[in-house]
Amino acid sequence: AQSVTQLDSQVPVFEEAPVELRCNYSSSVSVYLFWYVQYPNQGLQLLLKYLSGSTLVESINGFEAEFNKSQTSFHLRKPSVHISDTAEYFCAVSIQGAQKLVFGQGTRLTINP
Amino acid sequence: GAVVSQHPSWVICKSGTSVKIECRSLDFQATTMFWYRQFPKQSLMLMATSNEGSKATYEQGVEKDKFLINHASLTLSTLTVTSAHPEDSSFYICSAPLAGGRYNEQFFGPGTRLTVL
Repeated sequence: AQSVTQLDSQVPVFEEAPVELRCNYSSSVSVYLFWYVQYPNQGLQLLLKYLSGSTLVESINGFEAEFNKSQTSFHLRKPSVHISDTAEYFCAVSIQGAQKLVFGQGTRLTINP
Repeated sequence: GAVVSQHPSWVICKSGTSVKIECRSLDFQATTMFWYRQFPKQSLMLMATSNEGSKATYEQGVEKDKFLINHASLTLSTLTVTSAHPEDSSFYICSAPLAGGRYNEQFFGPGTRLTVL
């Protein structure tokens, strides 16, 4: 079975500071990796995904994540955050070829002015 | 991108009553939809996989007689919480994968907040 661990339940940072949200996964088979963002009282939106190829993937709003197979990690980073980035971020995995998603516990990112 | 809607967005009901939540894929067809439950400040837990034309597949520990799922068409799945109790209060989210390529991206509905008094 697959599992996902997000090491930080809350991450407070100041605006324009860099941030890293950590995600580690466990799986005996190859997986796809995802980061989703959830704004208050809303559903999830896909932020970025790793399927194959380049281990560094980027989103359109400045986030990036790097797949590290040896460390089974998929940490999310942004060099300079904005107030609008305040949200809950979920890391998720799915087995390649399957559709089920297994989510981590979520990390609440709070941006302080 | 594809759009998934849920109705209602929130509902308050009395203990013992049943509540139906709809999940619709607005601009694509979905033979499979997923239902998740999210408690406050917690992650999403997959409850069941809804399959068009066949029975839903429930995750371990989810009562199939309590959470009735019907995938009536290629664009609609419903979750009925029967004889709801306060412990069923939660945020229910559905998702639907958009077929295409080797990876079917899932699109999530906005969620339904259920409060049982």
